[in-house]
Amino acid sequence: EIVLTQSPATLSLSPGERATLSCRASQSVSSYLAWYQQKPGQAPRLLIYDVSNRATGIPARFSGSGSGTDFTLTISSLEPEDFAVYYCQQRSNWPYTFGQGTKLEIK
Amino acid sequence: QVQLQESGPGLVKPSETLSLTCTVSGYSISSGYYWGWIRQPPGKGLEWIGSIYHSGSTYYNPSLKSRVTISVDTSKNQFSLKLSSVTAADTAVYYCARDGVSSGYYTSWGQGTLVTVSS
Repeated sequence: EIVLTQSPATLSLSPGERATLSCRASQSVSSYLAWYQQKPGQAPRLLIYDVSNRATGIPARFSGSGSGTDFTLTISSLEPEDFAVYYCQQRSNWPYTFGQGTKLEIK
Repeated sequence: QVQLQESGPGLVKPSETLSLTCTVSGYSISSGYYWGWIRQPPGKGLEWIGSIYHSGSTYYNPSLKSRVTISVDTSKNQFSLKLSSVTAADTAVYYCARDGVSSGYYTSWGQGTLVTVSS
């Protein structure tokens, strides 16, 4: 199984700042990586798929990059509604796996 | 717009079988896509349980494979999860979901249902 390791576990930033979240895979997942946002009491929401493609309705301030084993989710200028937990997920190999999450909190 | 809704008992006794159903509206399961189950223990991360294709092909997480069965009932536009021999470690919010933009990425989710394993 492919293990996804996210860092940092918690990121404390202020609205307007830039957020950079990382996801490292234990082996190459090619470009088959997605990012989800989850707010308390809600289901996850797909933000980015295949590394850098924004899902429908996702604002342009969210972007993804990387390939192989190292990936990054960038939020260019944080809005109050962006403070949440973010998960990466790979679909390169069964079983699909998720990272353990990065909590983005208000500083 | 597709909508998914989980249903089933919120409390299951240890060693028994957890059974959940996902009712789909706004889209016919038989038209395509993979339909999956994902769970999240309280305060923890997401774990993929398995998926079923509209044709009935299934894929399970090996860590649960011996205990999991996912099935589809196209006549009711539902798919179901059964997890046998449950323990407290199976306590979680269980989500049903459908993939979308690419196979394996979940674009539509149910609201989730908390299942507690306790005597």
